[in-house]
Amino acid sequence: GNSVTQMEGPVTLSEEAFLTINCTYTATGYPSLFWYVQYPGEGLQLLLKATKADDKGSNKGFEATYRKETTSFHLEKGSVQVSDSAVYFCALSATQGGSEKLVFGKGTKLTVNP
Amino acid sequence: DAGITQSPRHKVTETGTPVTLRCHQTENHRYMYWYRQDPGHGLRLIHYSYGVKDTDKGEVSDGYSVSRSKTEDFLLTLESATSSQTSVYFCAISESFETQYFGPGTRLLVL
Repeated sequence: GNSVTQMEGPVTLSEEAFLTINCTYTATGYPSLFWYVQYPGEGLQLLLKATKADDKGSNKGFEATYRKETTSFHLEKGSVQVSDSAVYFCALSATQGGSEKLVFGKGTKLTVNP
Repeated sequence: DAGITQSPRHKVTETGTPVTLRCHQTENHRYMYWYRQDPGHGLRLIHYSYGVKDTDKGEVSDGYSVSRSKTEDFLLTLESATSSQTSVYFCAISESFETQYFGPGTRLLVL
């Protein structure tokens, strides 16, 4: 079946530190991969995505590369800010019954301290 | 931002009562989804719709029903609410194999 495993949180960093949140997946076929972010009290927002192997998604200084050989899609940012404090979800798209569904990891809470 | 609203935003109800949550979109997207978010579980799909009057079950559909009589509205009904259905409920929309856009969520407490 399709599943996503992401690193357990919470993660606490100081401002300007380097961030990595690990994500690995199991899927049949060739899914698209996503990172969503949820700020406190809000719904999820798409942060970045990649649709095929070796693609790199990027947005707001965050990056993730679709690695088919290691079935991974790790999220990175070189210098985090306090405003990056949020919960981050890795997800993959799975086509089932003619419609596309997202399968989410459990989320990783990031806190960035000044 | 995609035009998605959810109502109510907060609801407190008692065990055994029926509850209906509404999701409304102004984007004319074909697909609509209902998820629940719980600590330690991330987001789990309850039901989804791929067109007017076309719906299907997700991974946690027991105790829930849905209806979609218009493109813009997707209703989630808890026929007889239980404490295990206390959660935050999110609606999402998408247009054929594109990114899903999420609403602001409904926080439901079943006492």
